[in-house]
Amino acid sequence: AQSVSQHNHHVILSEAASLELGCNYSYGGTVNLFWYVQYPGQHLQLLLKYFSGDPLVKGIKGFEAEFIKSKFSFNLRKPSVQWSDTAEYFCAAGGATNKLIFGTGTLLAVQP
Amino acid sequence: DGGITQSPKYLFRKEGQNVTLSCEQNLNHDAMYWYRQDPGQGLRLIYYSQIVNDFQKGDIAEGYSVSREKKESFPLTVTSAQKNPTAFYLCASSMSQGGFSGANVLTFGAGSRLTVL
Repeated sequence: AQSVSQHNHHVILSEAASLELGCNYSYGGTVNLFWYVQYPGQHLQLLLKYFSGDPLVKGIKGFEAEFIKSKFSFNLRKPSVQWSDTAEYFCAAGGATNKLIFGTGTLLAVQP
Repeated sequence: DGGITQSPKYLFRKEGQNVTLSCEQNLNHDAMYWYRQDPGQGLRLIYYSQIVNDFQKGDIAEGYSVSREKKESFPLTVTSAQKNPTAFYLCASSMSQGGFSGANVLTFGAGSRLTVL
C-alpha cells in the first residue's frame, strides 16, 4: 500500500540549531516527492519538490531535502533554524494519478 | 490575485444536518481536491476531480459527497452519515498531470473548520 511516514511528531529546537525531519515513503512506480509547510494561521504552501534529476533539492527559506532512492527517504534539512520556522511540516508523495499521499506531519517549535 | 476561496471559514452544525462547504478557484486548474486534516493524522483525501463532471473517491469518502459542474467550483457536502465530521477541511487544486512543470503541485485554500454540536 502507498504510504508516507514521518517519524518525528513534535520537534523542539533552539534558534540556530540544525534541523532534519525524516520522511519515508512507500509508493509504486515513479514518485514525485514534496514538503509542504503550514505556518500558524496561514495556508499550506509548497516548501520544495523533487520530480527527477539532482536528488538534492533546494526550497524556499533555506530548506533543502535529499532524495535517497535506496532508503525510500526524502528528509528535510536546514542548517540553522529561526523562530519564524515554527510551523507544521508535511511530507507528501504523488504519482501519475495526480493523487498525493501526505504524512501525519511534524510540528516544529523553535525557541528564541 | 489568483487563488482558492473556501467558505465558510467556520461552521457549526447540529447532528443529523447536512452541510455544504464551498470551494472556488480562479487558477484555471483542472484538478481539485478535498482533504480532511485532523491533529496527528495529517491530511487525508476525501474526494478528487481531474476534470469537470468527473470525480473519484479518496481514502475516506464515506459520508461525503461532491459535484464538479464547473471547472472553478468543487463543493463538498458533509452528510449526516459522516460519523465524525468535526474537522478542518482543506480544498486544493492543481494543473493536470502531463507537463513537467507544476505537475501535482497543490495550491491550498485557507480551510473551513466544521464543528458538530
